[in-house]
Amino acid sequence: ETGVTQSPTHLIKTRGQQVTLRCSSQSGHNTVSWYQQALGQGPQFIFQYYREEENGRGNFPPRFSGLQFPNYSSELNVNALELDDSALYLCASSWGDGQDYTFGSGTRLTVV
Amino acid sequence: EDQVTQSPEALRLQEGESSSLNCSYTVSGLRGLFWYRQDPGKGPEFLFTLYSAGEEKEKERLKATLTKKESFLHITAPKPEDSATYLCAGGNRDDKIIFGKGTRLHILP
Repeated sequence: ETGVTQSPTHLIKTRGQQVTLRCSSQSGHNTVSWYQQALGQGPQFIFQYYREEENGRGNFPPRFSGLQFPNYSSELNVNALELDDSALYLCASSWGDGQDYTFGSGTRLTVV
Repeated sequence: EDQVTQSPEALRLQEGESSSLNCSYTVSGLRGLFWYRQDPGKGPEFLFTLYSAGEEKEKERLKATLTKKESFLHITAPKPEDSATYLCAGGNRDDKIIFGKGTRLHILP
């Protein structure tokens, strides 16, 4: 059984640029959630995808968007990057509406 | 507004010195109270889910308990390898998981 894999592990971008982060869900899981974790803080919910549809969103602006593919993998896109977007971005997968998530190791994004 | 508050923010213990971490929650229609362990630079690792007041779960040196307003993570005779950040989270009726800021636990040999 494979876990949740995220790529890339680290990324440096310039303010104003766009970034795409990728996540492969755990085998058998069809729900993917994305979280932003700033240094010293707990993860903050960005949005969730179930069967390729967004079915929940946290308090993040529209420049944060996502996709889920038929194989349940997912992408997080962030446009017009700001310095405050620097954080660890975590992807978590689960089965159905179950809340027992398996997390990936995250992508560390630095915006300069 | 749903909220999860953890205390203390940081805790240093000697090896073998037992203690408890606190998690206070206000979560609408709580569907589950979760505990995770997070090592530096890594994603959270699932430890426990508690569903109703009075429930307890154990794993090695850790025991999690739940009341209607709080959850505790008790650590008995900790070892240096138990050093990590412990995150508490509540699942609400909208299937959102609300995390606390975590407790950074450091066990001194």
